[in-house]
Amino acid sequence: EPEVTQTPSHQVTQMGQEVILRCVPISNHLYFYWYRQILGQKVEFLVSFYNNEISEKSEIFDDQFSVERPDGSNFTLKIRSTKLEDSAMYFCASSRDFTYTDTQYFGPGTRLTVL
Amino acid sequence: ILNVEQSPQSLHVQEGDSTNFTCSFPSSNFYALHWYRWETAKSPEALFVMTLNGDEKKKGRISATLNTKEGYSYLYIKGSQPEDSATYLCALTKAAGNKLTFGGGTRVLVKP
Repeated sequence: EPEVTQTPSHQVTQMGQEVILRCVPISNHLYFYWYRQILGQKVEFLVSFYNNEISEKSEIFDDQFSVERPDGSNFTLKIRSTKLEDSAMYFCASSRDFTYTDTQYFGPGTRLTVL
Repeated sequence: ILNVEQSPQSLHVQEGDSTNFTCSFPSSNFYALHWYRWETAKSPEALFVMTLNGDEKKKGRISATLNTKEGYSYLYIKGSQPEDSATYLCALTKAAGNKLTFGGGTRVLVKP
């Protein structure tokens, strides 16, 4: 069964460093998302992406964040200068369609620890 | 701000017992409710998407109901097994885009 994959599973970085989190969405899906969960808090939406453009972004997704689909398979989230408060589990998801009933399929997450 | 709440935060269930827990949401402007099952170190797994008041969905021993007029959904696990131990997440989508707004999850631990 097709699945969303994410690498690495765990990333440790120093404050101020740039990190790139990578995702391979399900191959016939066209819509891609990033969510994150800070420990003890709810899973929260960061950004949605379609046709090489951001469709929607949350207030969290400021200039320090960017997303890219560099080739036909990968979808990346870059944090330019990490802060302590960026420590969280980051989830990538993809869906075939963009309707409110369409299922989003999630990867297993990347745990980012900023020291 | 769309507020989605789940209760309880956690519960312990004896193997073989049935259990249920709640997802609450604003009843106005409802579009769709999603349930996910998330085991540690694995991908959250989609269980159900529900849209209509009175909807009932079933997958094996897990089922869910939806009441959009009063703003809640119940998830039921019948005859709990240790492999049902997981965090169960509900999330709302609205017509403007389909970003998911999550509740805090209910962590279920089934004891043998």
